[in-house]
Amino acid sequence: GAGVSQTPSNKVTEKGKYVELRCDPISGHTALYWYRQSLGQGPEFLIYFQGTGAADDSGLPNDRFFAVRPEGSVSTLKIQRTERGDSAVYLCASSLMRAIGQETQYFGPGTRLLVL
Amino acid sequence: DQQVKQNSPSLSVQEGRISILNCDYTNSMFDYFLWYKKYPAEGPTFLISISSIKDKNEDGRFTVFLNKSAKHLSLHIVPSQPGDSAVYFCAAKGGGSEKLVFGKGMKLTVNP
Repeated sequence: GAGVSQTPSNKVTEKGKYVELRCDPISGHTALYWYRQSLGQGPEFLIYFQGTGAADDSGLPNDRFFAVRPEGSVSTLKIQRTERGDSAVYLCASSLMRAIGQETQYFGPGTRLLVL
Repeated sequence: DQQVKQNSPSLSVQEGRISILNCDYTNSMFDYFLWYKKYPAEGPTFLISISSIKDKNEDGRFTVFLNKSAKHLSLHIVPSQPGDSAVYFCAAKGGGSEKLVFGKGMKLTVNP
C-alpha cells in the first residue's frame, strides 16, 4: 500500500505524560500536514511542512505541541504534559507541491489519542 | 468564527436518487475547494475538487458546483448508492496558505 500511514493507531495515556505520534507520508510527497479532529467537528489544521522545515505552524494550540520532520519524510508530532482536552484523532496528510494552492492532500487513518 | 459551514448535519436519500450536499464559505480568499468522504475509524478520503476559475467539475457520479458570488458550493451524487453512506466534509484553502479549513461534516445515509 502506498498511502499515508500513522502509528500508533490508538494511544491511551495519563494526564501529564508525554506522547509521540508518527506519520509516514506517501513516497515522493514533499509536503506534510498535521490536523486534529475532535468529536463532531471537522479536522483542524495544526502544522505544515515543506521538506524539513515547518512552513506554517500557526495551528499549534500552545507550546506543549511540537512537530519535526528531520529528513523531509517521516514526521513526529510531540505533545508534552498531556491534558484531557488533547484527546482527539490526530490526522496526518501529505501532498506533492507542484503548484501552490492546487494540490490535493491525502490523509492517513489517524491516531486516536485518549488522555485519562 | 467558522469560515466553512455545512449547515445540515445529516441527509437521508433512497438508492438511485440524487444526493445534494451543500457548503457555504465566508472567506473570499479561498480559491480551491475539496470534498472528502470519511468512514468510521478511517481517515478522510479525497473525493473531488474545484478551482475558483471553474464553476463545475465532474468525475463519474460526482459533480461539484461552485457559485463564487454566493460563496456556495454543492456536491451532487447521481445515482446514490448504499456504499456512499459516510460523513462528507467540505474543505477550502487559499490566500497563499496551504492549510485546509474544514466544515463540520454532514452524514449521508443512502437507503437500499
